[in-house]
Amino acid sequence: GEDVEQSLFLSVREGDSSVINCTYTDSSSTYLYWYKQEPGAGLQLLTYIFSNMDMKQDQRLTVLLNKKDKHLSLRIADTQTGDSAIYFCAEGDYGGSQGNLIFGKGTKLSVKP
Amino acid sequence: EPEVTQTPSHQVTQMGQEVILRCVPISNHLYFYWYRQILGQKVEFLVSFYNNEISEKSEIFDDQFSVERPDGSNFTLKIRSTKLEDSAMYFCASSGVAGAPLHFGNGTRLTVT
Repeated sequence: GEDVEQSLFLSVREGDSSVINCTYTDSSSTYLYWYKQEPGAGLQLLTYIFSNMDMKQDQRLTVLLNKKDKHLSLRIADTQTGDSAIYFCAEGDYGGSQGNLIFGKGTKLSVKP
Repeated sequence: EPEVTQTPSHQVTQMGQEVILRCVPISNHLYFYWYRQILGQKVEFLVSFYNNEISEKSEIFDDQFSVERPDGSNFTLKIRSTKLEDSAMYFCASSGVAGAPLHFGNGTRLTVT
């Protein structure tokens, strides 16, 4: 079945760039998402990319998509302590399932001062 | 910014009891969803709802579960005869149109004892 995989942990120093990686299996994915979850909070939509795009930049966030390798990454420039959270990669296929997103297990980002 | 609100934030119930988890989606959204996250596991799709009917459901969403939009603002998930393994964080989400990103609430943590 469809699957999304992420590494579980990432630790960086404040001011450095963070790169969170994700791989997925569904070749018919239409949208790929990054959600952020802070302790005790819900899933906050950070950014998303259409499968026909290679890159999307939004302020400190850069999303890169390699559709051939089914690899998605999220780069956070100038990482701050407030960026410490769990980051979830998710994929959706709107040609098929409406709103049935497949999530990864999440990457816990720790930012050290 | 409009947001999805869920109540209660934490619900404790005894095995065999019925629970109703409540959600108020973003007001002009038309598509509604429930997801759950068992501790340490992935966020999983349960059900999607559009035009007053279920549009898709997962294998998890069996006869024990039901959803309802009782009025113009609320969207509820009912779990009949709860089991220990129903303990999880339940997330409600909504989107404005088909294919638009999902906006999630902060979740309801359900603990079945």
